[in-house]
Amino acid sequence: KNQVEQSPQSLIILEGKNCTLQCNYTVSPFSNLRWYKQDTGRGPVSLTIMTFSENTKSNGRYTATLDADTKQSSLHITASQLSDSASYICVVSPPILTGGGNKLTFGTGTQLKVEL
Amino acid sequence: GAVVSQHPSRVICKSGTSVKIECRSLDFQATTMFWYRQFPKKSLMLMATSNEGSKATYEQGVEKDKFLINHASLTLSTLTVTSAHPEDSSFYICSARTSGDTGELFFGEGSRLTVL
Repeated sequence: KNQVEQSPQSLIILEGKNCTLQCNYTVSPFSNLRWYKQDTGRGPVSLTIMTFSENTKSNGRYTATLDADTKQSSLHITASQLSDSASYICVVSPPILTGGGNKLTFGTGTQLKVEL
Repeated sequence: GAVVSQHPSRVICKSGTSVKIECRSLDFQATTMFWYRQFPKKSLMLMATSNEGSKATYEQGVEKDKFLINHASLTLSTLTVTSAHPEDSSFYICSARTSGDTGELFFGEGSRLTVL
């Protein structure tokens, strides 16, 4: 069964500090991995998308890494801000050509809280 | 960038009534849209895949007669919760995907349904 596990489940950090969120997946075959940020009561917003051939991708203070061999990804947030408080969701997708392109597997998310 | 608009953002209805939620892709054509349900502090749960011009594909355990999906055009999909009951109260989110394996997946802002 395809699974995406994220850790930690929740995290509290002080403003200005860095943090790293983890995502382990068992989805196979694999096409791409996406990180989303979801504010409470809002829809998810895309941060990064990486194919199996990419190792890292940055979007401002967000840097995602991918190790397709170990099926692990991380999202590093630099110099955190209060507005970074949200749920961060890892989403893994198989290739469309395999017929499963729409079967995205969502992680349960990491709830991040940034405090003063 | 591409935007997915969802309306209404909040709706309160009486038990037994039906509620329609709209999902529009504003600047791209989406042959496929997705509907999710999200419980508090939980991950998104795919309910159904909405295909333009054809019947929706429902996930196991989702009642198709309860959650009617119509995808009448390339930019609009609707979810109708029929004969709503308090247990249908939830956060419903739609998404639309641009073409290709690494097509961007854009989410709507979500609709909070409360059934009294």
